[in-house]
Parts: sequence; C-alpha cells; structure tokens
Amino acid sequence: DAKTTQPPSMDCAEGRAANLPCNHSTISGNEYVYWYRQIHSQGPQYIIHGLKNNETNEMASLIITEDRKSSTLILPHATLRDTAVYYCIVRVPNTGNQFYFGTGTSLTVIP
Amino acid sequence: GAVVSQHPSWVICKSGTSVKIECRSLDFQATTMFWYRQFPKQSLMLMATSNEGSKATYEQGVEKDKFLINHASLTLSTLTVTSAHPEDSSFYICSVDRGLGEQFFGPGTRLTVL
Repeated sequence: DAKTTQPPSMDCAEGRAANLPCNHSTISGNEYVYWYRQIHSQGPQYIIHGLKNNETNEMASLIITEDRKSSTLILPHATLRDTAVYYCIVRVPNTGNQFYFGTGTSLTVIP
Repeated sequence: GAVVSQHPSWVICKSGTSVKIECRSLDFQATTMFWYRQFPKQSLMLMATSNEGSKATYEQGVEKDKFLINHASLTLSTLTVTSAHPEDSSFYICSVDRGLGEQFFGPGTRLTVL
C-alpha cells in the first residue's frame, strides 16, 4: 500500500520553480524516497531518490526534512514538457521490493 | 538507465480471446520484473512480481489464472490476459528492477477489449 500523501494537483508558471510536496510520516529508517513522473500515456520516468540527505541531479532537487517525514521535489525552471503526474514513493531499495504508487500530483505548467 | 521495451504498444481484441504482452529488458539481465495496470485517470496498480525461472507472485485480488506471467529468460517476461473482457481494458506497464534502487518502466501497452 502507498505510504505517501500528495496534493492532487498543482499549477506552475513556465520558467518558475515547481515545488512538489510529499508527506511520508510513517517512513521507516531504511526506506528511501523515490520520485517518478508519468507523462500522459507513457511509462513512468525515474527522477531522483534519496535517504536523508538532499539530492540534486540534472532533472531536479530533492529536499528531505530532518525528521524524514516529508520531502519536496523541486524542478528549478519548469517547462511545458514537465507537465505530468508526479509520484512520490517510499521503499527499501532491495531487489524484488515492489513499488506501490499513490495517487500522485498532477502538475500543469502554464505558459 | 535500463532500456525496457513492450510489445505491442496497443492491441484491440474481441471479448473472450487471449492477448499476450511482452516486456523486454534490452540492456540488463533482469531476474525480477513487475507488471502494473492503470485505468484511466487512476494511478498504477501493481499486479504481480515476475521472477525468472520461478512462479510469479501476485498481489491480492489479482487472478493468477487470468493473468498468466512467464519469465522464461533474463530479458523477457510475458503477461497473457486470458479470456479477455471489456473490464480488462487498461494500460499495462512492466518494469525492470536493476537492484540499484530504481525501477525502469516500459512504455506501456494499451489493451482495448471489444
């Protein structure tokens, strides 16, 4: 079962930063936070993941609170192509461990 | 990341027929693959875990005799929807677990049962 809660939808102006929150108050000590996104009628795309330190890659930044009960995915300069459903998932990163998707946040980037 | 393909990308079939969907890991030998389905405007629902050389593990509520999974090689898992009915119409997606934490997803197969 999904162990995360996210707002159902958000809007963001093109060129601005998109900040997508996720609550995971029951996260265990060995569970990582993963972010994926799904553009309409495509398979999910991996964005980033982290355990407790903030992470950054070419796509986004992940900010995890000190108590690890919530996190924020930041798209620094949103473009129209970033319009998608964003999923936050917590999971122990062992082979064979399933991903359980929550309802995600539908992000619409507005021109 | 791993490259995952699915075939076909879409299929339309008559009620009562069986449909096979292939999931291939093109650049990685995957002992574990996963199958999901997604109804319109809903999230992905995990159906089963496909294990190379052994039986698949199905999620609660998923009929193993209706959704047959075969993972005969390290690069191929197949999902067969047997005796398909209109309520089986959905978007079916597979994923490959590389053991590094991330899963890599295929592009999906849209099944429409008439």
